[in-house]
Formats: sequence, C-alpha cells, structure tokens
Amino acid sequence: NAGVTQTPKFRILKIGQSMTLQCTQDMNHNYMYWYRQDPGMGLKLIYYSVGAGITDKGEVPNGYNVSRSTTEDFPLRLELAAPSQTSVYFCASSYSETSAYTDTQYFGPGTRLTVL
Amino acid sequence: GENVEQHPSTLSVQEGDSAVIKCTYSDSASNYFPWYKQELGKRPQLIIDIRSNVGEKKDQRIAVTLNKTAKHFSLHITETQPEDSAVYFCAATGNRDDKIIFGKGTRLHILP
Repeated sequence: NAGVTQTPKFRILKIGQSMTLQCTQDMNHNYMYWYRQDPGMGLKLIYYSVGAGITDKGEVPNGYNVSRSTTEDFPLRLELAAPSQTSVYFCASSYSETSAYTDTQYFGPGTRLTVL
Repeated sequence: GENVEQHPSTLSVQEGDSAVIKCTYSDSASNYFPWYKQELGKRPQLIIDIRSNVGEKKDQRIAVTLNKTAKHFSLHITETQPEDSAVYFCAATGNRDDKIIFGKGTRLHILP
C-alpha cells in the first residue's frame, strides 16, 4: 500500500490564483482530513469527511473548499490565494466503524504552499 | 467543541533522563487520545495512543497515562536518546463530532 499520497510537494502561487491540492489513500479508510501547519505551530483542522459525499468544516475552513466523491480522494481547493494561506498542508485518513470508536490517523507527506 | 492544551511548549532534557509532556482536554465525552511525533520537515507519525477505558499504556521507553476525572493525559519518555529530539503533539477526539483536535505541540531537545 502507498498509504496517503499528496500532490504537489511544493507550490508557489500568486495572490488571487487558485489551485487544488490532491490527496489519495489506498487503505479503504472512510475518514479523511485536511490540516494546515504554519511554521513552528501545531496542526489546525480545515475540513474533514466521514465518507464519500459527506464533508464538514473544521477549525479554519475560510478560504477553502473540499469535495469527497470517492472513498479514495479528498481534494482541497483554494479559490483566491492569500499570503495568510502560506503553510504546509497535510492530508490524513483513518478508519472508524462508528463515531464512538476513532482509530489511528495516517498522514500524507504534506504540500508546502507559498503565496506571494 | 473540544479544546486541547499542551505544556510545556519547549522542553530540554539531558540524554538518559526522562521527559514528561502534559495535555488537558475539555470534552468529557472524548475517548481517544493519540500522541504524534514530528521530525523536522516530516509528517506527524503516531507513537502511542490510549483509549478512555484504560488508565495507562506502555510501549518500551514510551508510556501514556490518562486521568479521565481530571481530563488530562501525559506522555512519558524514559532513558531519552538523541533521536527523541522532535516536536510531539497530543490530540483528543471530540467524540460527538468525529473531529480529532491537536494540542499546539512540545519541542523536545535532548542535550548531549
């Protein structure tokens, strides 16, 4: 298994540009998450999904959009890039049979995004 | 929603000594508490986790304790080694809404 993969690894955007960060997992996990990590800081949850067709906001959703059309893929869309979105973005996935039982999150390698 | 506080933000420990990192959480319904280690430029990786029906769990030099009444849990690393230098994150599930919320992290330095 490749686990959780993310593309691209690095990207530089100009203010106002748009892009999609890709995330794919091959572990048949139902839960997927997007986090951002600013330099020297912790992980902040942007959006998450408990299954195909279901998404919900995390702590810092403004400026981002997600979709979950398949179990494997969970892309993150930035519509109008701003310097405040300069960060490292991590995708993660986990398997939970019920909301009462959460299991280990596996993280992707991250995408380093700079907005100038 | 769930709120996780982590202390200290930085910890320096002599090689061979023990390190303790503490976290508190706010949602009494939370039932899963993982700890992640993140080396510079790498992704977070799970090192140990504990569920609310267990008070303590140990894996070689690493142990986690949970006090549900006080809503706090701690990571203990014994006989620290240079490769233990990293940032450590605690986390807790806000069980009611399926989110896993992370603490702000502790930067652990192992001094030679």
